[in-house]
Amino acid sequence: GQQVMQIPQYQHVQEGEDFTTYCNSSTTLSNIQWYKQRPGGHPVFLIQLVKSGEVKKQKRLTFQFGEAKKNSSLHITATQTTDVGTYFCAGPRQNFVFGPGTRLSVLP
Amino acid sequence: SAVISQKPSRDICQRGTSLTIQCQVDSQVTMMFWYRQQPGQSLTLIATANQGSEATYESGFVIDKFPISRPNLTFSTLTVSNMSPEDSSIYLCSVTAGGTEAFFGQGTRLTVV
Repeated sequence: GQQVMQIPQYQHVQEGEDFTTYCNSSTTLSNIQWYKQRPGGHPVFLIQLVKSGEVKKQKRLTFQFGEAKKNSSLHITATQTTDVGTYFCAGPRQNFVFGPGTRLSVLP
Repeated sequence: SAVISQKPSRDICQRGTSLTIQCQVDSQVTMMFWYRQQPGQSLTLIATANQGSEATYESGFVIDKFPISRPNLTFSTLTVSNMSPEDSSIYLCSVTAGGTEAFFGQGTRLTVV
């Protein structure tokens, strides 16, 4: 079945540094979604990518979908303490598979 | 969008007992999803709850252990039966409303002692 991997598992950054998490699928994805889960909270939808090579931006967050539609990345520029949490990628809804997540901690 | 009310938010239960978690959505949705999230782990889909039919369970989850009800398009319950400490986890209900974006309830933090 579909497997979604994420690296790194953990990332500790100093406030102001950049952060990137990578998501890799064993199969081609029709779309990919990203979620953020704050400590003690529930996952919150960030974005969905559908097209090959697609790049979307949300303020300091940049999302990319690979040309082969098997990988994706989330890049945060100049992290802030409010960025703390776990970032999950997730495959299409039919066989909805969440990646293991990347836990980001930001040191002030 | 969808607003989901999930309760209880947390509970501490004795082993061997059962807990029923409720999930109420502010709009009618076709499918509702139940997830388990163990501490520090990702989300694992338990089952998909369909209105008017039996839930569809993922590999490793069975109806006897996690019976699900879906009496209408806005409500579902998940029961964790005959609990053991290994069932200690966060349980989340989720829906997709309109698009493919998933909305989640606040979660139920279950501790089995």
